[in-house]
Amino acid sequence: RKEVEQDPGPFNVPEGATVAFNCTYSNSASQSFFWYRQDCRKEPKLLMSVYSSGNEDGRFTAQLNRASQYISLLIRDSKLSDSATYLCAVKDTNAGKSTFGDGTTLTVKP
Amino acid sequence: EAGVTQFPSHSVIEKGQTVTLRCDPISGHDNLYWYRRVMGKEIKFLLHFVKESKQDESGMPNNRFLAERTGGTYSTLKVQPAELEDSGVYFCASSFFGTGTDTQYFGPGTRLTVL
Repeated sequence: RKEVEQDPGPFNVPEGATVAFNCTYSNSASQSFFWYRQDCRKEPKLLMSVYSSGNEDGRFTAQLNRASQYISLLIRDSKLSDSATYLCAVKDTNAGKSTFGDGTTLTVKP
Repeated sequence: EAGVTQFPSHSVIEKGQTVTLRCDPISGHDNLYWYRRVMGKEIKFLLHFVKESKQDESGMPNNRFLAERTGGTYSTLKVQPAELEDSGVYFCASSFFGTGTDTQYFGPGTRLTVL
């Protein structure tokens, strides 16, 4: 079993749709959680850190469920520019390596 | 502020040759990480420097890979001799761990192709 697993996707949605991605992690002692966005042939860019209380940034909402060991990302009112691969990442310590999921590809269509 | 830079952006070499990748972290970032993404797979950790010291090299695939960070500034990753399975995108990331969460900033990557 992989340490971090994501919805396989791909997700193809129309503009304006709401889409949710889930990610599960196997290490119950994991400390930090992140969502990255990666455009084609580019580097991952941090989208959001994920906190226990949940956090929102505009159309994006991230949540963490420690009991069930999953994190989620909700995108509301999807835009064409949201098309990208979304990567879930987990750190076992606050300063140290990140473990990534395979990524979920989102395509938003007109 | 300049971001993480990597050189070269692309490298095509033949099996058995040597390649050296370079990473310049964001100024002031003590933490420097190397990751690799092989086609069709997830991004995988290779190693972590804190300043010039190797903090964690558990992800290094074998002794054909050598990473250095002399002086605690830029880092190099040498592959010698290169094998076909070394092809992939090599990312470098850096971070400054202050009092909060360690946010890693990624460079644009070096795309390595071994023929």
